[in-house]
This record gives sequence, C-alpha cells and structure tokens, in this order.
Amino acid sequence: QKEVEQNSGPLSVPEGAIASLNCTYSDRGSQSFFWYRQYSGKSPELIMFIYSNGDKEDGRFTAQLNKASQYVSLLIRDSQPSDSATYLCAVLAGGTSYGKLTFGQGTILTVHP
Amino acid sequence: KAGVTQTPRYLIKTRGQQVTLSCSPISGHRSVSWYQQTPGQGLQFLFEYFSETQRNKGNFPGRFSGRQFSNSRSEMNVSTLELGDSALYLCASSLRGVSVSVETQYFGPGTRLLVL
Repeated sequence: QKEVEQNSGPLSVPEGAIASLNCTYSDRGSQSFFWYRQYSGKSPELIMFIYSNGDKEDGRFTAQLNKASQYVSLLIRDSQPSDSATYLCAVLAGGTSYGKLTFGQGTILTVHP
Repeated sequence: KAGVTQTPRYLIKTRGQQVTLSCSPISGHRSVSWYQQTPGQGLQFLFEYFSETQRNKGNFPGRFSGRQFSNSRSEMNVSTLELGDSALYLCASSLRGVSVSVETQYFGPGTRLLVL
C-alpha cells in the first residue's frame, strides 16, 4: 500500500464546474496535510494546508480533512481553464519526520471551456 | 519577501561526473528539504537540514549528500552520476520543518539535471 494515494486521473471538468480531488494516507500519525498545484515544467505551488478535522475554505478552494478515515480532499469551485494542472497531495508526519513531505502521485486536472 | 532560489536551473552532465546544486531559502526559514522528481517515481524526499544538521534522510544511496551553511543556504551533491539520476531536483524551505500549525514548505523553481 502506498503511503499517500490520490484518485486516479486524469480528471476533466467543464469550466464553472466543481472539481473534486481525493487523497488517502496510511500513517495515522500524520499531522499536517497540503495541496500543491504543479503546472507542466514548473515547481509545486502551495494552494492550501489543513491540520484539523473539518473544512477549510480559501476563495474557490476548500480542503476537507477526516483523520478517522485518513482522508483529505480538495474541492475547486467555479473551475477555470487556468486551474488545469497536476494537483499533489502531501502529508507531513509528526514526531521526527522533520521536513519530510510524502507526496501522492498527483492527479492531472483539465478544465475545458 | 523573496522566494526560494535554486542554482543552476539546468545542468547537463555525463555518467560518472559529480554535481553540486545550491538552494537559498526564504529569509528567516531555517529548514531546507530536498526532493527528487521523476515521471516514474514522482516526488521523493532526499533529506532535510536545520541549523547545519541533517535531521532526516530518505531512501537514497550515499552518492546523494548535502550540507547546510550558517546562513541556512544548502547544497546537495551527487557523486558518480548515473543515467537514472536525471530528474528535477527541488528544494523547499520552511521555518523549522516540524509538524505544527504554522509550518508550510515553499518550493524553489528546481534544477533540471540531465545525465548523458
């Protein structure tokens, strides 16, 4: 079992729709959860982070965390063509996992006009 | 505030050579993590430095090494390059590299290494 798994893509949604990206993790000791966006040929860009169970909203983005189910998701409302990118879920374990983000394989999102 | 910078941005080397990559973190950030990104393996953690000390290490051979200077700038070195070392090498900085609510990692633009 992979440590961090994301829903298989690619995911294609029409402009203005909601895109839903999912991620599960295996380490119950994980403390912090991140969503990064990576455009082709570029480095990952932080979109959101979440530490507590529940929802966290930032503009068109909502992150949801359920530690009991070991599940984290990202919703993108009113999707735009500029949102087309690879979305990476990353997890930071607690304890002595200094500076080590464990990434999922990424989900490619395409928003078509 | 300036972001994370990495030099060089592109590099071409031949098998058996060695390479040194540099990373300057965001001002005030003391933790620097290094990652390797390849199409097949995705993003994988190499190691993390804080206050000139390596605190964490991923599952990479000893050919991969790093260090951090007193100003938090970091370098990574790959010796005896292999074809499989061709990748995008990313560094990321954070305040302290620990899992608390204020900690987030910000990535530099990366160094794209091609080994021929």
